[in-house]
Amino acid sequence: QVQLVQSGAEVKKPGASVKVSCKASGYTFTSYGIDWVRQAPGHRLEWMGWINTGKGNTKYSQKFQGRVTITRDTSASTAYMELSSLRYEDTAVYYCAKSEASLPFDYWGQGTLVTVSS
Amino acid sequence: SYELTQPPSVSVSPGQTARITCSGDALPKKYAYWYHQKSGQAPVLVIYEDSKRPSGIPERFSGSSSGTMATLSISGAQVEDEADYYCYSTDSSGNHLFGGGTKLTVL
Repeated sequence: QVQLVQSGAEVKKPGASVKVSCKASGYTFTSYGIDWVRQAPGHRLEWMGWINTGKGNTKYSQKFQGRVTITRDTSASTAYMELSSLRYEDTAVYYCAKSEASLPFDYWGQGTLVTVSS
Repeated sequence: SYELTQPPSVSVSPGQTARITCSGDALPKKYAYWYHQKSGQAPVLVIYEDSKRPSGIPERFSGSSSGTMATLSISGAQVEDEADYYCYSTDSSGNHLFGGGTKLTVL
């Protein structure tokens, strides 16, 4: 069965960076994209970016352009999302999700809580 | 900027039909997708491409879209359907958007 397992919760100081991992299993990793979506407390879901796990090309939301980097390691069937220059308002649960054109976010990871605190 | 607008809350009694709307100017040309999210859990896809149901999703969940409004219907809503529901779509510029979410109460 399809599973996406994310890394554990993180606490970071303002200005630092965080890197969250997402290990996929149960399907051919390079046949589907991986999106990253976050949810700040009391806020709507927010799309951050996507990676073509086969070719490695990426697309980012304009809001996060320049601060977010999405990569993948095909040998480990794992995608990564790194967010830099963290601010208090980046405190959120970050999700990875498997995607294809007609089925965006059809499977989700369990979420990773990132807390930005001094 | 482009937005998808949902009512903050919908309340129905068990067995009634719940309808949750999502309005957006690009919806006449773009598909709507629906996700439910129970407290503390990751979202789950319940409707894709306006009206298709993924395997494993109960038949009581259905979707439709007309003009600038997409609608998720839950016929014979059950207490277990209580959750936050989010619509999702894209716009002509390739932006990916979620609605603000609708809290469904069944009691």
